[in-house]
Amino acid sequence: QLQLQESGPGLVKPSETVSLTCTVSGGSISGTNYYWAWIRQPPGKGLEWIGCIYYTRSTYHNPSLKSRVTISVDTSKNQFSLKVRSLTAADTAVYYCARAPMAAAASFDFWGLGTQVTVSS
Amino acid sequence: QSVLTQPASVSGSPGQSITISCTGASSDVGTYSYVSWFQQHPGKAPKLIIYDVIYRPSGVSDRFSGSKSASAASLTISGLQAEDEADYYCSSYSTSSSLVVFGIGTKVTVL
Repeated sequence: QLQLQESGPGLVKPSETVSLTCTVSGGSISGTNYYWAWIRQPPGKGLEWIGCIYYTRSTYHNPSLKSRVTISVDTSKNQFSLKVRSLTAADTAVYYCARAPMAAAASFDFWGLGTQVTVSS
Repeated sequence: QSVLTQPASVSGSPGQSITISCTGASSDVGTYSYVSWFQQHPGKAPKLIIYDVIYRPSGVSDRFSGSKSASAASLTISGLQAEDEADYYCSSYSTSSSLVVFGIGTKVTVL
């Protein structure tokens, strides 16, 4: 069974950069038919798609976040990562990693449990 | 980024059927049959319950069904049960948001 697990620092200061990693187990991230995505959810609010990456390193980003976000993949470690720069309190959220089939990029069929990121001084 | 429009809340009594709408535009729901629905219980990760408008992943109850007409997709929950009380989100492939857009979410309450 495929499993995804997010990891990150939890608490970060405003204006800094947060780095999150998603470790995939039970399957290869190099599979040709899937995107690997980041999605976040601010407290009490809805889901926001951040972006995704294909194992060839092709990326897609939410236009509202594109200038502050970098998504990368490390196939040797079966991991993909997210960096968000210039953090503000509005970036406080639970960050999820997820998988979506290339043929249906909006149907995220496997999710991690999520990792809380709090932006505060 | 545009988001898909959903009602903030829907409620029903056990055994009843309810329908949640998800309204988009020609750049997403109106043109593409790549609409998915997710169920999210408090403190949990979302769970895929419908994909490609009408299909259920293995293991998802057949009480959940999806449909689409023009720029609006719908999720129907039949035979409402207490365990269905959760937040529900739609998503769609979108050409205006670089790939994916989510709905704002609907809270389902079982009376």
